[in-house]
Amino acid sequence: GNSVTQMEGPVTLSEEAFLTINCTYTATGYPSLFWYVQYPGEGLQLLLKATKADDKGSNKGFEATYRKETTSFHLEKGSVQVSDSAVYFCALSDRTGFQKLVFGTGTRLLVSP
Amino acid sequence: SQTIHQWPATLVQPVGSPLSLECTVEGTSNPNLYWYRQAAGRGLQLLFYSVGIGQISSEVPQNLSASRPQDRQFILSSKKLLLSDSGFYLCAWSVYGDRGEAFFGQGTRLTVV
Repeated sequence: GNSVTQMEGPVTLSEEAFLTINCTYTATGYPSLFWYVQYPGEGLQLLLKATKADDKGSNKGFEATYRKETTSFHLEKGSVQVSDSAVYFCALSDRTGFQKLVFGTGTRLLVSP
Repeated sequence: SQTIHQWPATLVQPVGSPLSLECTVEGTSNPNLYWYRQAAGRGLQLLFYSVGIGQISSEVPQNLSASRPQDRQFILSSKKLLLSDSGFYLCAWSVYGDRGEAFFGQGTRLTVV
């Protein structure tokens, strides 16, 4: 079945540091890929997405590129802020039309001033 | 614009008591609806999804059930809660066949004591 593997956390960074959170996937066919962010006590918000190979999703300074050859969708940001502290989930969606999401276990990011 | 409402935000229930969590979506018709659970320290697991009124698919065997009495209403229930039912429950919706993202509610923190 489909699965998503992302790096264990927490990831602890100082403000303005470079961020990478690794995500790899296993899927039949060609899924859509997503990064969601969860702030404390809240639901999930879509951060960015990519629907085909070599697509780059970007939002709020975050980027991720759909790499079919390495089955990866790593999240990057050039300069993190304290307000980026949250849990980040990588996810894939099958293409059956039912839009069932398969999530990774999440990576907690802690950014200190 | 579309919005999703989920309540209550927090709930503490004794073992063996019943459960009813409600989710409603506004601003869209015939959405796909989902219930996910996030156990402590773990990723999100899809529990149920629905593509129409009265149509419920269960992803994992468990102590819970779901119903969709109206197009934009999705209810998660249990007749007798177990300690293992504790977690963060998230309702979500998406557009069938869109290959796009799902949109999440704010979640319900359930603690079974």
